[in-house]
Parts: sequence; structure tokens; C-alpha cells
Amino acid sequence: AQSVTQLGSHVSVSEGALVLLRCNYSSSVPPYLFWYVQYPNQGLQLLLKYTTGATLVKGINGFEAEFKKSETSFHLTKPSAHMSDAAEYFCAVIFPNTGNQFYFGTGTSLTVIP
Amino acid sequence: GAVVSQHPSRVICKSGTSVKIECRSLDFQATTMFWYRQFPKQSLMLMATSNEGSKATYEQGVEKDKFLINHASLTLSTLTVTSAHPEDSSFYICSARSVNYGYTFGSGTRLTVV
Repeated sequence: AQSVTQLGSHVSVSEGALVLLRCNYSSSVPPYLFWYVQYPNQGLQLLLKYTTGATLVKGINGFEAEFKKSETSFHLTKPSAHMSDAAEYFCAVIFPNTGNQFYFGTGTSLTVIP
Repeated sequence: GAVVSQHPSRVICKSGTSVKIECRSLDFQATTMFWYRQFPKQSLMLMATSNEGSKATYEQGVEKDKFLINHASLTLSTLTVTSAHPEDSSFYICSARSVNYGYTFGSGTRLTVV
């Protein structure tokens, strides 16, 4: 069955430390992959996406993610956390031949400790 | 970039009344609109998909007579929660899909039914 999983519903990092948010998918065919950020009571903002091409994708606010087909993963990273990065992060996928429907992970709440 | 304007951002209504939420794509045409529902600290769940001029396609378990979706034009889609009850209180988010901009999310509507 096709699915998307985010490991860790809560992640805490110190300001300036590395941010690593994990996302894995289950599919026989590589999906399109997205990371979104959501601030309290707001909609979703696209951080980055992978469809085809280079597997290391750079997004906004210093975030990047690497698509690893062998590991069926699309982990989100940022070298140095900033206080303003505290938010909810969602990994989302579009599986081929599913009518362009997004499937969202359960989300990871990122806390940045000063 | 593409912007989807969603209104209202917050609404409080009495139990038994109906509430209409609008999503409008600014400066682009949305071939498809998606409506999501998000419970506190949970992920987004797709409620329905609508194409301009066609009836919406509802996900399993979503009452189409309760959540009326209208997509009368390529720039406007509305979600009407009819006879709202406290259990309908949630965060509702729309997403517009276009050829040029891909997927763009609205800023969400916090519905509270009292």
C-alpha cells in the first residue's frame, strides 16, 4: 500500500544546531515529494519539492531535502536552526496515477530552543 | 507568485446555522480545487476535489450534503458547512491547482461552532 510516514511528531533542537526532519514513503513507483511548513492558524507554505532531476533540492529559508530512492526517503534538513523555524512541518506526496491527490504525513512539530 | 485568498480566516457560528468559506485564486485560473480539514495537532485530510463546472468528488466518509462545494468559475470555489455542529469545528484549508503554478494553498479558516 502507498503511504507517507514522518518519524517523530516532535523535534527539539537548539538554536544554531542542525535540523533533521524525517520522511519516508511507501510506493513501487517514486512519487512527487513535497515539504510544507505551517505556522499557527495559517495555511501551508511550500518549502521545496522534488519531481524529477537533481535529487538534492534546495528550498526557501535555507532548507534542503534529498530524495533517496534506495531508502524511499525525503528527509528535510537545515544546517543551522533559527528561532523563526519553529513551526509544524508536513511531508506530502503525490503518488503517480492517483489523480494528483496529496497525501500528507502526520506532521512534525519543530521547537527551537534558545 | 500564485496566491489563493481564503475567507474568512476565522468564523464563529451557532449550532444549526450554515457557514460559507470562499477560496479565490488571484491572477491565475485554478483547474482543480481541493478542500482539506485539519483537526488540532493532526495532519490534513482531503475532503473533496472539485473541477470547475463539475460536481465535487468527495472522499469516503465525507457527507456531501453537509459539506457543499461549489466551483462555479476557474477562480472561485466555496465550501458551505450546512447545519453546523460543534464536531464540525476545525481548520479548513483549500488548495488550488493550476498548470502554471502547481498547487497553492489558502491561508485556512478556523471554524468554531458554539
